[in-house]
Amino acid sequence: KNQVEQSPQSLIILEGKNCTLQCNYTVSPFSNLRWYKQDTGRGPVSLTIMTFSENTKSNGRYTATLDADTKQSSLHITASQLSDSASYICVVSVPGDSNYQLIWGAGTKLIIKP
Amino acid sequence: GAGVSQSPSNKVTEKGKDVELRCDPISGHTALYWYRQSLGQGLEFLIYFQGNSAPDKSGLPSDRFSAERTGGSVSTLTIQRTQQEDSAVYLCASRDRATGELFFGEGSRLTVL
Repeated sequence: KNQVEQSPQSLIILEGKNCTLQCNYTVSPFSNLRWYKQDTGRGPVSLTIMTFSENTKSNGRYTATLDADTKQSSLHITASQLSDSASYICVVSVPGDSNYQLIWGAGTKLIIKP
Repeated sequence: GAGVSQSPSNKVTEKGKDVELRCDPISGHTALYWYRQSLGQGLEFLIYFQGNSAPDKSGLPSDRFSAERTGGSVSTLTIQRTQQEDSAVYLCASRDRATGELFFGEGSRLTVL
């Protein structure tokens, strides 16, 4: 069964600190892996999209890594800011005729404290 | 507008009433998704539209739910005879064909009393 599991479920860190969120998936094969940020009460916003051939991709203070052999991805946040408080969702795309099927993780809720 | 627009942003209704939620995708995006998100939960796929192809309705939880997309643009999600368990945020997204990136609206929060 295609699944995406994220850990930890929630995380609290102090402003300015770094953190790493994990995503393990059993989806095979897959087209790409995405990380989204969802602020409370808002729709998700894309942070990164990586194909199976990419190992790392950065977007400002966000760096995503992908190990297609172990089926693991991580999202590293550097020098956290209060505005980073949000849910971070890992999504894996399953290839198909229309390349539309997306398997969503449950998300990691990150809280940044001053 | 530049982004995905959803309306209403909030809807409170009584059990048994019908509701309609609207999604206006980014111009030129042929793929459109509807998702449901209950409080503190992940996104639940409902339905997918791609151009003029038959929609994928496999995620609709019951026959009380239906959706249409007229003219390949605006989409309407209809929930008939609403139940309390239908209370959730309903999110719409359209997809950039070139990058595959999804762009979400801000959602419609439905509360069924």
